[in-house]
Amino acid sequence: NAGVTQTPKFRVLKTGQSMTLLCAQDMNHEYMYWYRQDPGMGLRLIHYSVGEGTTAKGEVPDGYNVSRLKKQNFLLGLESAAPSQTSVYFCASSLAGGRTGELFFGEGSRLTVL
Amino acid sequence: KQEVTQIPAALSVPEGENLVLNCSFTDSAIYNLQWFRQDPGKGLTSLLLIQSSQREQTSGRLNASLDKSSGRSTLYIAASQPGDSATYLCAASKTSYDKVIFGPGTSLSVIP
Repeated sequence: NAGVTQTPKFRVLKTGQSMTLLCAQDMNHEYMYWYRQDPGMGLRLIHYSVGEGTTAKGEVPDGYNVSRLKKQNFLLGLESAAPSQTSVYFCASSLAGGRTGELFFGEGSRLTVL
Repeated sequence: KQEVTQIPAALSVPEGENLVLNCSFTDSAIYNLQWFRQDPGKGLTSLLLIQSSQREQTSGRLNASLDKSSGRSTLYIAASQPGDSATYLCAASKTSYDKVIFGPGTSLSVIP
């Protein structure tokens, strides 16, 4: 049972480089989320999607873009990476969003920006 | 704006003890509250989800309670084991359908 899969798991970037993190879920969930987790800051919502073709900003969206072209995939892009974006990124999905749905998380993607 | 806090930030107990982790939230108009476990270098695993209409949920040695009026939830772990060592996070869904706000977590260490 795959659940929520994130790729890549580790990545090192230089300042100004771009990259895309991929999140894939096989549970037919409508809602998908990207969080970042930093020491002392906890988990903060970057962007989220409530269905295919829709995206919305979370708490800390600046410097990131997202796309949800297919229901099972949610992509997080960094157009010009900055050291402040060094973090662990988690993707999550749920069947019915925050209202009733249990959140399922991926294993995380550790990004270092030099 | 919903804010979620957890006390204590860290806890160390000997094996076999019963323990309680606390979670507080500022906006009592929540739809559900979830407790998660996170092992070092891993993602979050959902432990228990309490709907706003419920007072508690149980799974094995875990029991979570919810008191919306006081803005509190507790996670009770019975007969703790070294394998319970992890960080425990609570998260409250806001009144809208779309966002979940996390607490900072409690780091639990169970000493054999």
